[in-house]
Amino acid sequence: KQEVTQIPAALSVPEGENLVLNCSFTDSAIYNLQWFRQDPGKGLTSLLLIQSSQREQTSGRLNASLDKSSGRSTLYIAASQPGDSATYLCAVNSGGYQKVTFGIGTKLQVIP
Amino acid sequence: SQTIHQWPATLVQPVGSPLSLECTVEGTSNPNLYWYRQAAGRGLQLLFYSVGIGQISSEVPQNLSASRPQDRQFILSSKKLLLSDSGFYLCAWGLISTTNEKLFFGSGTQLSVL
Repeated sequence: KQEVTQIPAALSVPEGENLVLNCSFTDSAIYNLQWFRQDPGKGLTSLLLIQSSQREQTSGRLNASLDKSSGRSTLYIAASQPGDSATYLCAVNSGGYQKVTFGIGTKLQVIP
Repeated sequence: SQTIHQWPATLVQPVGSPLSLECTVEGTSNPNLYWYRQAAGRGLQLLFYSVGIGQISSEVPQNLSASRPQDRQFILSSKKLLLSDSGFYLCAWGLISTTNEKLFFGSGTQLSVL
């Protein structure tokens, strides 16, 4: 059974700092990994999807990497802004419609 | 572009009352549709998924049911709500691209059963 862990559970940084969020998974046989952002009381917004054959994906100030063999992914946020404050979740697709496992998330606060 | 609509945003219901949450997708056809529940401090739990009209798969036995009466409409229902049904419910649809599926979520419904 796939298990997804996100560390730390919460993170507070000053504005402008670069930061890394971590996601680890127990079964390396995955199809893809997706990073989401969730604002309080809202749905999930897709940020990046990395396919199992890829090493990284970039979108603006965000860069996600994937090391499938070690069961790890990182989300790098450059030059953080207060608007980046949210909970970030990773989701691992182990194959099939019902085989997406979500982490609990990392709650990020960027202090102005 | 594709959009997903989910309503209502919040709902307060007494124990034993019925439930109907609706989700519709625009801008795509034959999407895979999902209902998730998110509890505080826990990851998202898949409740139901559907790959086509009238096709529903349940992941966990519970007090809830789902239906897909139209291609882009997904409904979550209950005949009698329990206190344990409280939570944040999310509808999602999947965009299949080759061997990968990307998930897109609705805005969620916060359900409080009192």
